[in-house]
Amino acid sequence: AQSVTQLDSHVSVSEGTPVLLRCNYSSSYSPSLFWYVQHPNKGLQLLLKYTSAATLVKGINGFEAEFKKSETSFHLTKPSAHMSDAAEYFCVVSPITGGGNKLTFGTGTQLKVEL
Amino acid sequence: DTAVSQTPKYLVTQMGNDKSIKCEQNLGHDTMYWYKQDSKKFLKIMFSYNNKELIINETVPNRFSPKSPDKAHLNLHINSLELGDSAVYFCASSHHGQGTTEAFFGQGTRLTVV
Repeated sequence: AQSVTQLDSHVSVSEGTPVLLRCNYSSSYSPSLFWYVQHPNKGLQLLLKYTSAATLVKGINGFEAEFKKSETSFHLTKPSAHMSDAAEYFCVVSPITGGGNKLTFGTGTQLKVEL
Repeated sequence: DTAVSQTPKYLVTQMGNDKSIKCEQNLGHDTMYWYKQDSKKFLKIMFSYNNKELIINETVPNRFSPKSPDKAHLNLHINSLELGDSAVYFCASSHHGQGTTEAFFGQGTRLTVV
């Protein structure tokens, strides 16, 4: 079994300040972890993924995430928010082997970026 | 070039009707999926096909019937539409068997049942 908990449903930051979106996971298998972004009325775009290699993962648009097994966390960060970062962010878990690529989504965090 | 394309983008229909949503991918992937996103933006897998074979079938009413004519296409047919079927439906594709590979999503089909 696998699950994901996104600890904040809404996060609001000022432009130019750091972003932190929190995610905790639970998995019976060694997990792959992903962050996807969904802009309003758009599809989902992959930001970054962790697949048991380096624990600090860099993604697109300046985002990065750190896999911490001891804390079962995979928090998403960005040093400086931009207005275009305003969107819905999903943390996703998948078993590395088996499970048929079944992605389990968190409930999402809406990021608001203010001037 | 669109990687995963769904049609239509918007679909408004009356209760009781039957409708289909089409999906095509040109990424050469062997696995395709349908996900449902509800009004609270929660995404849940409905079906997954690998090389035209059903491999994931979550608890979905049997009014929903996926069909994969080939590994590049996965269509979703819905019979006797109900108000609760209103949602955004996303098609996705990936390489099978490796949980390390990400899924690529289409733009979504917003279904509204009135």
